[in-house]
This record gives sequence, C-alpha cells and structure tokens, in this order.
Amino acid sequence: QKEVEQDPGPLSVPEGAIVSLNCTYSNSAFQYFMWYRQYSRKGPELLMYTYSSGNKEDGRFTAQVDKSSKYISLFIRDSQPSDSATYLCAMIRDDKIIFGKGTRLHILP
Amino acid sequence: DAMVIQNPRYQVTQFGKPVTLSCSQTLNHNVMYWYQQKSSQAPKLLFHYYDKDFNNEADTPDNFQSRRPNTSFCFLDIRSPGLGDAAMYLCATGDRGTKNIQYFGAGTRLSVL
Repeated sequence: QKEVEQDPGPLSVPEGAIVSLNCTYSNSAFQYFMWYRQYSRKGPELLMYTYSSGNKEDGRFTAQVDKSSKYISLFIRDSQPSDSATYLCAMIRDDKIIFGKGTRLHILP
Repeated sequence: DAMVIQNPRYQVTQFGKPVTLSCSQTLNHNVMYWYQQKSSQAPKLLFHYYDKDFNNEADTPDNFQSRRPNTSFCFLDIRSPGLGDAAMYLCATGDRGTKNIQYFGAGTRLSVL
C-alpha cells in the first residue's frame, strides 16, 4: 500500500461547479498536509497547508483534514477554467514531503 | 515576486555532455531540495541540503551531484546525461526551524539529444 493515494483522474467538471479532490494516507506520522497546484510545464505552487483535523478556507478553496479517517480533501467553489491544472496532495513526515500522484482537473467553459 | 528562481527554464544538452542547473532563493530558508519530475508523475526527491549538510536519497544515481556554495544558491550537476534523464527538474526550499513547508521554483525542463 502506498503511503499516499490519489486518483489521477482526469476529472472534468463544468465551469461554476464545486470540485472535490481527495487523498488518503496510511501513515499516522504525517504532520502537515498540503495542496499544490501545478500548471503544465510549471513548478508546483503551494495553495494551502493544514496541520490539524478540520477545515481551512482561503477564498474559493477549502482544505479539509480528517485524521481519524486518514483522509484529506480540497474543495474548489465556483470553479473557473483557470483552475484547470494538476492538483497534488502532499504530506510531511521526517522533514520530507510525500506526494500523491496528482489529479488532473479540467474545468469546461 | 519570485522567491525560488531556477535558471535556465529550458536546457538542451547532448547525450553525455555535462550540464548544470541553478537555483536561488530569497526566502533565507535553511533547506534546499532538488526533485526530478517526469510526465504525469509526482516529483521524486533526488537530494537536499540542510544548511551545508548534504543528504542524498538512496536511489539517486551517482550521475547526479549537487553543490550549495551559500544559503541562497544551490546547483544540480548531471555529469553524463542520458536519454532517461530528460525531465523537469524542480528546486524547492523549506525552513526546518518552523514547519518546513516547501516552496518550489518554476522548474528547468531538460532535453537530452
């Protein structure tokens, strides 16, 4: 079992819809949980990070962590074509980042 | 303002010809990382520096070396690039004193002819 599991997609949704991206993990030692957005041929851009279970909101983005279920989510409200990218979940243990494989998201105009 | 800067953005080299990629940061972070990312894959950690302390991943080929002459700069040297080394190379920084959340540069896309 991989430490971090993420469905690679692609996921296609119409503009304006709410997008839900998810990852599961197996190692309770993970301390911080991040979401990165990566556009084609660019480096990953940090969107949000959280530490504890619960929700964290930033504009149209909400990150959710459920440590009891070892499950994290990223919600995007009012999705825009500019949100089309690959979204990588990532987690820190022992000062190293463990990435999910990334989910390719397409927002259809 | 760019905080982690990679140069060049695109690099073309010949099979077996040494190449150096550079990374600089304005965040004053004590850790700098190099990752390799191939198409549709997650970034793969090659090595990192914690201050001047070099940490190599066990599966990083000897063909890959790194130098960190000061806090702001870090270099990735590929001694004899092979066709399989064509990839995006990503530099990232983190501050081990706080959360060590990593911030990435825009990457250098390496082509090997």
